[in-house]
Amino acid sequence: QKEVEQDPGPLSVPEGAIVSLNCTYSNSAFQYFMWYRQYSRKGPELLMYTYSSGNKEDGRFTAQVDKSSKYISLFIRDSQPSDSATYLCATVASGAGSYQLTFGKGTKLSVIP
Amino acid sequence: NAGVTQTPKFRVLKTGQSMTLLCAQDMNHEYMYWYRQDPGMGLRLIHYSVGEGTTAKGEVPDGYNVSRLKKQNFLLGLESAAPSQTSVYFCASSYSGGGEAFFGQGTRLTVV
Repeated sequence: QKEVEQDPGPLSVPEGAIVSLNCTYSNSAFQYFMWYRQYSRKGPELLMYTYSSGNKEDGRFTAQVDKSSKYISLFIRDSQPSDSATYLCATVASGAGSYQLTFGKGTKLSVIP
Repeated sequence: NAGVTQTPKFRVLKTGQSMTLLCAQDMNHEYMYWYRQDPGMGLRLIHYSVGEGTTAKGEVPDGYNVSRLKKQNFLLGLESAAPSQTSVYFCASSYSGGGEAFFGQGTRLTVV
């Protein structure tokens, strides 16, 4: 079992919809949680960064972490065609020697005008 | 501001040939990483470095070697390329192990 599981989609939604993207992880040592956005033929770029459990909001984006259930979510409100991309969740364990950023496989999102 | 720059952007190799991919960052980051991205497999860590002169193996290190002789550069070498190494390779760097990773634009490698 891969340490971070993510439904690859693809996911297609109409413009203005609320999008929910999710990941689960298995390693209890994971402390930092991130969402990256990757446009076609580009490198990933950081979208949201959270530490431990809770919510973090940035504009139309909300990242949510539930450590008790090992569940990571990204919500996109009022989705736009420019949000069409692949979204990758990522985690990293804290502590000495734990420097590996582990990614989910990514979910491809298309927002239809 | 350049960020993370990968050279080359595209390359076609014949089986058995060797090549080196260069990654350069201008953010004074300690940590650097090499990933490969394949359809359906996501990003998989090949090797990483936590500082100048140090390297460590990631999830899929076989067939690759790396060097970090200078803090700003991280080289990925393929000694004898195989078709299974056809992939998109991404370099990334971060200030700390748990911090934001900045990615390069990728190198598309085809081994025929």
